[in-house]
Amino acid sequence: GESVGLHLPTLSVQEGDNSIINCAYSNSASDYFIWYKQESGKGPQFIIDIRSNMDKRQGQRVTVLLNKTVKHLSLQIAATQPGDSAVYFCAESQRSYNTDKLIFGTGTRLQVFP
Amino acid sequence: KAGVTQTPRYLIKTRGQQVTLSCSPISGHRSVSWYQQTPGQGLQFLFEYFSETQRNKGNFPGRFSGRQFSNSRSEMNVSTLELGDSALYLCASSLLSDTEAFFGQGTRLTVV
Repeated sequence: GESVGLHLPTLSVQEGDNSIINCAYSNSASDYFIWYKQESGKGPQFIIDIRSNMDKRQGQRVTVLLNKTVKHLSLQIAATQPGDSAVYFCAESQRSYNTDKLIFGTGTRLQVFP
Repeated sequence: KAGVTQTPRYLIKTRGQQVTLSCSPISGHRSVSWYQQTPGQGLQFLFEYFSETQRNKGNFPGRFSGRQFSNSRSEMNVSTLELGDSALYLCASSLLSDTEAFFGQGTRLTVV
């Protein structure tokens, strides 16, 4: 079946460096994508989203890039901090931007070391 | 305002038993979705309720069911528990279907 996946299960970066987390999706009908951060013992927390009519969106220290041609999504975190250590999930919606049924990727663990 | 509240936080059950998990959405939110999270399968969609009606359902057996009350609080029930049902069950609420979904901390279910 169609699914959302991630290239790297674990990413280790030094504090202050930039982090890039990648995600591949297979359903060209997906029109809305979200990045979530999940810390140990907590539920996923919304980071940033992007609709399919955009190719880039910026937030505070985070940027999401969408390449529909190759069905690829990435999350860039600038000046990575220890508090950014968590598991990051990409999620897609195939229902006209609805968030009531999301398909999640497998997750990437980001480890930040001093 | 209070976030999404799930109770209980932790639960241990025996195979064959049934369990009911509760989710209180953010005040005013009408859509409640449930997800199962396991190390092997990741986050998988279970079902979604809006105004007391199930609108979407994932690929889970009929042992998994849910409901939503008039105050938007939702419960999910798993009958005849199996070891493989051990997971973190997450609930997410949103104001409407196309607005940001907020997750609770989840209920950690262990089946022994």
